[in-house]
Amino acid sequence: AQTVTQSQPEMSVQEAETVTLSCTYDTSESDYYLFWYKQPPSRQMILVIRQEAYKQQNATENRFSVNFQKAAKSFSLKISDSQLGDAAMYFCAYGHTGANSKLTFGKGITLSVRP
Amino acid sequence: GAVVSQHPSRVICKSGTSVKIECRSLDFQATTMFWYRQFPKQSLMLMATSNEGSKATYEQGVEKDKFLINHASLTLSTLTVTSAHPEDSSFYICSASVSASNQPQHFGDGTRLSIL
Repeated sequence: AQTVTQSQPEMSVQEAETVTLSCTYDTSESDYYLFWYKQPPSRQMILVIRQEAYKQQNATENRFSVNFQKAAKSFSLKISDSQLGDAAMYFCAYGHTGANSKLTFGKGITLSVRP
Repeated sequence: GAVVSQHPSRVICKSGTSVKIECRSLDFQATTMFWYRQFPKQSLMLMATSNEGSKATYEQGVEKDKFLINHASLTLSTLTVTSAHPEDSSFYICSASVSASNQPQHFGDGTRLSIL
């Protein structure tokens, strides 16, 4: 079975600075998807970024980028120019390939942004 | 696009009653939807996979008779918490992805269930 580990329960960053959230996973599959979801206090789950394992290039979405290290099974999220609105819980998730596959989530990390 | 609507957003009811939560895909068809439960400051725990036109697949430890799932159409799945008790109080979230695709899951806004 796949597992996703987020070992840091909380992190804090100064506004406009950069922060990196860590995630490791375990799988025996060679092709899969990895995701970062953001959950603000409203508890809505928002997709931040997605990485396909067969793609070597790291995914980027505006201020959000990932460092995907397939051999090390590491998938960290970098948030540049942090904003107050980035404060939320962030969940790393693993998904199988194939249609309509379920997700396995990490425990999440609470990110606070200091003004 | 890819909007998932969940209703109600919040419900408070007495112990022993049954509560139905709806999950709708508004602008796409979803043969599969997922139901999660989340306790405060914790991760999402998958409860079951809802399959249109067939029985749901429950995760280990989830009571099938307690959490009834019906997925009668390509745009609607319902979760009914039967004979609810205070320990069933939680945040329930559904998700869905476009049928037969590798598109990422989109989540409803969740339902906060409080059993008195």
